[in-house]
Amino acid sequence: DVKVTQSSRYLVKRTGEKVFLECVQDMDHENMFWYRQDPGLGLRLIYFSYDVKMKEKGDIPEGYSVSREKKERFSLILESASTNQTSMYLCASATGGSTGELFFGEGSRLTVL
Amino acid sequence: QQQVKQSPQSLIVQKGGISIINCAYENTAFDYFPWYQQFPGKGPALLIAIRPDVSEKKEGRFTISFNKSAKQFSLHIMDSQPGDSATYFCAASIESGAQKLVFGQGTRLTINP
Repeated sequence: DVKVTQSSRYLVKRTGEKVFLECVQDMDHENMFWYRQDPGLGLRLIYFSYDVKMKEKGDIPEGYSVSREKKERFSLILESASTNQTSMYLCASATGGSTGELFFGEGSRLTVL
Repeated sequence: QQQVKQSPQSLIVQKGGISIINCAYENTAFDYFPWYQQFPGKGPALLIAIRPDVSEKKEGRFTISFNKSAKQFSLHIMDSQPGDSATYFCAASIESGAQKLVFGQGTRLTINP
């Protein structure tokens, strides 16, 4: 079974703190994604990566950065957390190619006070 | 702007009934339309998907109906069961777009026993 693991299920941070969200997949997938889930807005793509050290902006990249130093690990970074970044963050991975199934982690719920 | 619009936001159906969730899209370049199912505390998981060369796809009790001219697609759940209670997301992508899915807003489905 594909497993996408998000190391932190719940985090509480203060405004201005630097936040790291970590994601690891065990299926040797080329593509990895970070989505943000908010009620009434669905899932919105923040960043994705199609190879190590490669990244591409999604629809809402402002205030976020990412790092992919190893194929299995994709990190989302909030350089200076703000209250409007309080949300559920979902990591996903998929085999390379144009379409196909995304495998999601269970999510990291971030609260910024 | 929301490229994929999903309705209703919430839906209550009696056990054994038919659940219907609708989505409409704007970008005519979209050519891959999956549905994801999300249970509380879990990440979304692929349920069923369709490409626009067919008007319908059925897998068990789940059917996608696709209307290319109207730019609409819908999920029908026949003989709905309490275990189907979940949040459902429609999505769309461009086949050349490296799995960059655009999601609808989500529908919270409750099946009453």
